[in-house]
Amino acid sequence: DGGITQSPKYLFRKEGQNVTLSCEQNLNHDAMYWYRQDPGQGLRLIYYSQIVNDFQKGDIAEGYSVSREKKESFPLTVTSAQKNPTAFYLCATQKGTDTQYFGPGTRLTVL
Amino acid sequence: AQSVAQPEDQVNVAEGNPLTVKCTYSVSGNPYLFWYVQYPNRGLQFLLKYITGDNLVKGSYGFEAEFNKSQTSFHLKKPSALVSDSALYFCAVSQTDSWGKLQFGAGTQVVVTP
Repeated sequence: DGGITQSPKYLFRKEGQNVTLSCEQNLNHDAMYWYRQDPGQGLRLIYYSQIVNDFQKGDIAEGYSVSREKKESFPLTVTSAQKNPTAFYLCATQKGTDTQYFGPGTRLTVL
Repeated sequence: AQSVAQPEDQVNVAEGNPLTVKCTYSVSGNPYLFWYVQYPNRGLQFLLKYITGDNLVKGSYGFEAEFNKSQTSFHLKKPSALVSDSALYFCAVSQTDSWGKLQFGAGTQVVVTP
C-alpha cells in the first residue's frame, strides 16, 4: 500500500447525497485507476486516467465522476445517480506498462 | 474481449501441504497475467506477473505461477502453505494493446488450517 493513500477509510452516505473519495499518490506514477469491489464479483473498473487533465470511462462509470487536475490526485465522486453505491472502492496507480499497485481502500455504506 | 475465470470459490488446505489456486483466461493476442492477494479490509498486494519469457514465474512469499499458453492457464502455487496464507486471491489479465485495463477474476478464498 505504501505511497498510495485513500481517505476516508470508512464513509457513510445518506440517500441522495454526493460523496467524494480521495486518492493521493507520491510514487510519480502517470496512470491512476478506480475500481469497485463487491463480494464474489472481483474488481470492476470505474474510471482511469493515464495523464493529467484526461480520463476515460471504465466498465461501470454510470453514477460516478472523476477529475485529474494534478498528477498526485484522482478523486472519485459517487453521485446520487449511482443506485447501489455500497461497496469497497480501491484506487490503483501504474507507471508505464508496469504493475498496478493498490491503495488501502475506502468502504462506502449507504444508510 | 478479455476474461478471467477462477473456478473455485474457496480452496481448503492443511498447513504444510501444497497450495494451488487455479486461473484460466481468454484474450485476443498476448496476455499480461497477474496474481494479487487481499487480506480483510485491505487493498490488493501484488504477488507476481507474467509478461514474457520463462513460463515459470516466481513471486513474493514463496509463491510461483506457471503460464501455460495451450491451456490458457496461469495457476498459482506454493509448495508448503502457511496459516498466514489464508486470504482472498485474485488473478488478472490485460492485453498487450490495452495494458492498463486489467480484467479480474472473481477471487478465490484460501483457507489454511493448522
